Amino acid sequence: SQQGEEDPQALSIQEGENATMNCSYKTSINNLQWYRQNSGRGLVHLILIRSNEREKHSGRLRVTLDTSKKSSSLLITASRAADTASYFCATDREDDKIIFGKGTRLHILP
Amino acid sequence: DAGITQSPRHKVTETGTPVTLRCHQTENHRYMYWYRQDPGHGLRLIHYSYGVKDTDKGEVSDGYSVSRSKTEDFLLTLESATSSQTSVYFCATRGGGANYGYTFGSGTRLTVV
Repeated sequence: SQQGEEDPQALSIQEGENATMNCSYKTSINNLQWYRQNSGRGLVHLILIRSNEREKHSGRLRVTLDTSKKSSSLLITASRAADTASYFCATDREDDKIIFGKGTRLHILP
Repeated sequence: DAGITQSPRHKVTETGTPVTLRCHQTENHRYMYWYRQDPGHGLRLIHYSYGVKDTDKGEVSDGYSVSRSKTEDFLLTLESATSSQTSVYFCATRGGGANYGYTFGSGTRLTVV
């Protein structure tokens, strides 16, 4: 069964707006990671947040983690056309397996 | 995708034939993984490896086997391909233990007819 579940499944926003995606998971984790996948390509690692961290930034990306609610959010600020992609959360479980959610398809409108 | 090469990139095969997909890495990463990606299912772990000759099953291992005789190569074999194994297969590596992200290959698109 899937560990992480992203929400929403699909999101369309205007260029320049902020995009927020959420991820919920079920079991204890070492860390949570976010990946981007452009159409027809492999996944690219964006950011990792450890279980003892609450917020992390990387450029236009901001990730939060709430272990009490078993949830995370990814915020992309000032979106660009190049941000159009699918975004996946992945939970690094205590058994060393990394389990992916089904992804959020983000479409940036010009 | 630098450092990880998957081959072939595309393959069409017939039902019942064996198929081997190759993942080659130049990163000297200890951990290697095979995932399949299907619409509506995201990425699902097939098999993974902690090191040479050290492999284990993932979520969807039935019908698949793996081998890792060298650090740099991780082979995925479909013993007798079925149409349900039509998918995009991704190899990934991880250099450290916990708190390291994956590096993914570009994928192999396999069609079983």
